[in-house]
Amino acid sequence: RKEVEQDPGPFNVPEGATVAFNCTYSNSASQSFFWYRQDCRKEPKLLMSVYSSGNEDGRFTAQLNRASQYISLLIRDSKLSDSATYLCAVKWSRGTNNNDMRFGAGTRLTVKP
Amino acid sequence: ETGVTQTPRHLVMGMTNKKSLKCEQHLGHNAMYWYKQSAKKPLELMFVYNFKEQTENNSVPSRFSPECPNSSHLFLHLHTLQPEDSALYLCASSQPGLEDTQYFGPGTRLTVL
Repeated sequence: RKEVEQDPGPFNVPEGATVAFNCTYSNSASQSFFWYRQDCRKEPKLLMSVYSSGNEDGRFTAQLNRASQYISLLIRDSKLSDSATYLCAVKWSRGTNNNDMRFGAGTRLTVKP
Repeated sequence: ETGVTQTPRHLVMGMTNKKSLKCEQHLGHNAMYWYKQSAKKPLELMFVYNFKEQTENNSVPSRFSPECPNSSHLFLHLHTLQPEDSALYLCASSQPGLEDTQYFGPGTRLTVL
């Protein structure tokens, strides 16, 4: 099983649609969770952290399910500018070394007019 | 944004060349990372430096040699690369701690002929 797994997509949705992505992780000792957005030929940029109680930032809602070891990202009222690849990232607990992260391969989203 | 910069942005090299990638962060972070991103694959963590000390080397071939002279600068020295090493090389930095969010540079797109 991959350490962090995402459906590669692509997800093609019309403007205004609601779309959700899931990401599963294998290490039950994972501590921190993130969603990044990566535009074509650009670097990943942090979209939002994912907190245990779930969190929302405008049209974006992130949730964590520790029991099932997955995180999700919900995008409401999709905009053309939301078209990008969405990467989930999971920080492993490795003793004294806290600086380790594993990324999923990303889910590609295209929002169409 | 100029938090993390990388040079050069594009590099074409032959298999016998020696070149270096440079990364500089202006965020006051104490951890820096090298990642490799190949098409349709997850980001692969290559090296991690905490407070200028290398804390992780993910089985990277010796033709890649990192150097971290201080907390703000990170280099990746390249020699006798193979065509399969062609990829986007991303540098990131973070401040070790509870959340430890990583911020990426724009990357160097490397082509090995």
